[in-house]
Amino acid sequence: EPEVTQTPSHQVTQMGQEVILRCVPISNHLYFYWYRQILGQKVEFLVSFYNNEISEKSEIFDDQFSVERPDGSNFTLKIRSTKLEDSAMYFCASSTGQPSGYTFGSGTRLTVV
Amino acid sequence: AQSVSQHNHHVILSEAASLELGCNYSYGGTVNLFWYVQYPGQHLQLLLKYFSGDPLVKGIKGFEAEFIKSKFSFNLRKPSVQWSDTAEYFCAVRNSGGSNYKLTFGKGTLLTVNP
Repeated sequence: EPEVTQTPSHQVTQMGQEVILRCVPISNHLYFYWYRQILGQKVEFLVSFYNNEISEKSEIFDDQFSVERPDGSNFTLKIRSTKLEDSAMYFCASSTGQPSGYTFGSGTRLTVV
Repeated sequence: AQSVSQHNHHVILSEAASLELGCNYSYGGTVNLFWYVQYPGQHLQLLLKYFSGDPLVKGIKGFEAEFIKSKFSFNLRKPSVQWSDTAEYFCAVRNSGGSNYKLTFGKGTLLTVNP
């Protein structure tokens, strides 16, 4: 069964550093997403990406965040200057455009120290 | 804006007990509804979904959920839980008329099943 692959599984970074979280969506999917889950809290939508541009973003997704699909296969989330409160599990997901085709990756646990 | 409420933060059951996890949503339009499960150390997996038609939907691993439109609810049920059902369960809603298929999640319910 096709999978969404995320790397790394765990990243520790110092406050103020830039991090890039990587995702390889399912190849025939058209919509791409990032969600995050702060420990003990709910899964929150960050951003959706379609046709090489952001289609929607949440209030969380401020100027410190950016997404990119640089080569047609990878889908990256960049946090320019990490803060302690960015510590969370970050999930990538992709979709065919139909809810039944919505697949999550296994997540990257980001720890900012 | 849509929102999802899951009433139970942590549910502890013994094996063979029946399970019902509550989920209510707030949204004025037509919605698609989902239950996802997250086993320890694993990714979110789809348990079941409701788009339209029969409000009682059956999913994997013996789970089912009933959509009650008048109550804005989509409760998850299983008649007899197993130890392997220990996981976190998330209810999610999506605006069926939306164009980007964004999901809004509840806070999740941690289910612990004791052998």
